[in-house]
Amino acid sequence: DAGVIQSPRHEVTEMGQEVTLRCKPISGHNSLFWYRQTMMRGLELLIYFNNNVPIDDSGMPEDRFSAKMPNASFSTLKIQPSEPRDSAVYFCASGGNSNQPQHFGDGTRLSIL
Amino acid sequence: AQSVTQPDIHITVSEGASLELRCNYSYGATPYLFWYVQSPGQGLQLLLKYFSGDTLVQGIKGFEAEFKRSQSSFNLRKPSVHWSDAAEYFCAVGLGGYNKLIFGAGTRLAVHP
Repeated sequence: DAGVIQSPRHEVTEMGQEVTLRCKPISGHNSLFWYRQTMMRGLELLIYFNNNVPIDDSGMPEDRFSAKMPNASFSTLKIQPSEPRDSAVYFCASGGNSNQPQHFGDGTRLSIL
Repeated sequence: AQSVTQPDIHITVSEGASLELRCNYSYGATPYLFWYVQSPGQGLQLLLKYFSGDTLVQGIKGFEAEFKRSQSSFNLRKPSVHWSDAAEYFCAVGLGGYNKLIFGAGTRLAVHP
């Protein structure tokens, strides 16, 4: 079975540019989570969706960050404009109901110069 | 507030030695508890989970963990460590119906030959 698929795996761009990270969850999973991992702050939950609806976006750091889930098989996390402090590894995870654990993608390593 | 504490940032063991990684949580209700492992450049892989029932749970790769309600702990153990176990280990507590995860800061395990 295909796991959670994230693209791109690596992204290097200059500050001020728009960055779009993509995620395809596991088929049949109805929850999707976006995390950010940095050395300083560890793993932080940014936002999560259930049945394509955003449930809690309290972890989104600023208005520069936005996330969408237009359908059950696709989600995006967008940063506009990007800043060097946004450099991190961004993970997407998907899960089923509350008795099922989250499954993580391999992440996108983002570097903002 | 809910939180997860992993007291050991870094642990080094010899190959073949036993291992115990500590995890304490703070949560008012009975938690869902997880251990994940992250190898360099990879996403998080689920090792094991506790939802209810037997407080000693078995996971993949020979790992086990024991839930102790009185100590608010969920320590991870392995009787004999292999060099391939070198990685970072994260304890997490799941909250609510969507299983929103709160992660500990992680414990980095090094294995000496």
